[in-house]
Amino acid sequence: EAGVVQSPRYKIIEKKQPVAFWCNPISGHNTLYWYLQNLGQGPELLIRYENEEAVDDSQLPKDRFSAERLKGVDSTLKIQPAELGDSAVYLCASSSGGGNTIYFGEGSWLTVV
Amino acid sequence: QQQVKQSPQSLIVQKGGISIINCAYENTAFDYFPWYQQFPGKGPALLIAIRPDVSEKKEGRFTISFNKSAKQFSLHIMDSQPGDSATYFCAARSNSGYALNFGKGTSLLVTP
Repeated sequence: EAGVVQSPRYKIIEKKQPVAFWCNPISGHNTLYWYLQNLGQGPELLIRYENEEAVDDSQLPKDRFSAERLKGVDSTLKIQPAELGDSAVYLCASSSGGGNTIYFGEGSWLTVV
Repeated sequence: QQQVKQSPQSLIVQKGGISIINCAYENTAFDYFPWYQQFPGKGPALLIAIRPDVSEKKEGRFTISFNKSAKQFSLHIMDSQPGDSATYFCAARSNSGYALNFGKGTSLLVTP
């Protein structure tokens, strides 16, 4: 069974440029998460989807970050415009519902220069 | 505000030794406590998890000890191996939430 797939794995952009990350969760997993992991820190939740509905986006900086999960499967996380402080790893994760194991992808590593 | 506090930040253990990582929490609504292992360049992977109705859970060389009254839990890695060298994160989730609250991580190095 394929795990959570993310792309791109690595991205280097100049500040003020836009960037987008894509995530394909494990088949059948209706819950999808985007986490932010800064260097030397634990992951922090940005947004959680139940199917296509964003049910927890309280930690998403909505002035520059946006996310969508069309058709309740794949998801895209966008940053526009990117700032130097956005350099981090963006982790996508999925689970088959609340209370179940959360599986992480390998992450998208963003460097803003 | 860090809801799960983890220590130590880094740990060096000789091969064959016991690695111990500790975590503490305040939110009594937490009812699921997993440990994740992360290798460089990879995403976190679930290692072992416990619920507060038991005080200990063992899977192979990995054991979680849980102290509900003290609101503390720890990971013990017995017979540590160089291949265990990774960053370990404790986490907690409440019975009304879905997302995990992570500790800051412990970088473990097992020397040959």
